[in-house]
Amino acid sequence: QKEVEQNSGPLSVPEGAIASLNCTYSDRGSQSFFWYRQYSGKSPELIMFIYSNGDKEDGRFTAQLNKASQYVSLLIRDSQPSDSATYLCAVGPGFQKLVFGTGTRLLVSP
Amino acid sequence: DGGITQSPKYLFRKEGQNVTLSCEQNLNHDAMYWYRQDPGQGLRLIYYSQIVNDFQKGDIAEGYSVSREKKESFPLTVTSAQKNPTAFYLCASSSGRGANEQFFGPGTRLTVL
Repeated sequence: QKEVEQNSGPLSVPEGAIASLNCTYSDRGSQSFFWYRQYSGKSPELIMFIYSNGDKEDGRFTAQLNKASQYVSLLIRDSQPSDSATYLCAVGPGFQKLVFGTGTRLLVSP
Repeated sequence: DGGITQSPKYLFRKEGQNVTLSCEQNLNHDAMYWYRQDPGQGLRLIYYSQIVNDFQKGDIAEGYSVSREKKESFPLTVTSAQKNPTAFYLCASSSGRGANEQFFGPGTRLTVL
């Protein structure tokens, strides 16, 4: 069974700090990696995707991928209260099916 | 506006009834998906379709059925055989042309009375 593991949290950070969210996966053949943000009662929103080892930056968000260690992380710089949400990690084998983690709840306090 | 729509937003069903959830997209995406989300659990794949008139079972297809007669539409029927259908149902789509990014509709919350 292919698995994607995330710490459920909550991860609490003060406003302005860096939030670091982590995800590990079991399928070494995985080729595509995604981070979704989900507010309570709403559907997931794609915020980052990464396909190659290393870092990918988009505004305040940085996705980091290490295939050898089978982990992917999401850094949120200058965290804002509006970033408070559940962050879902999703991993794909290179085709179109994705396996989702259960999510990490992030709380950013003013 | 391009996007994915799902209807209804809330749905109440009596035990023993079949219900159909609608999903429509105008993104010209080839692939469409249905997921179920329960509290404390990740998204679980019910069915997916990569092309019109073709679909495959996901991890939890029992008690569900789908059709893909049009590229834009991928309705999900929750049958009376589904033993615990109360959940948040999410439809997603992706272009299917070398890109894996999936985009979600707003979801349908189904409650069995």
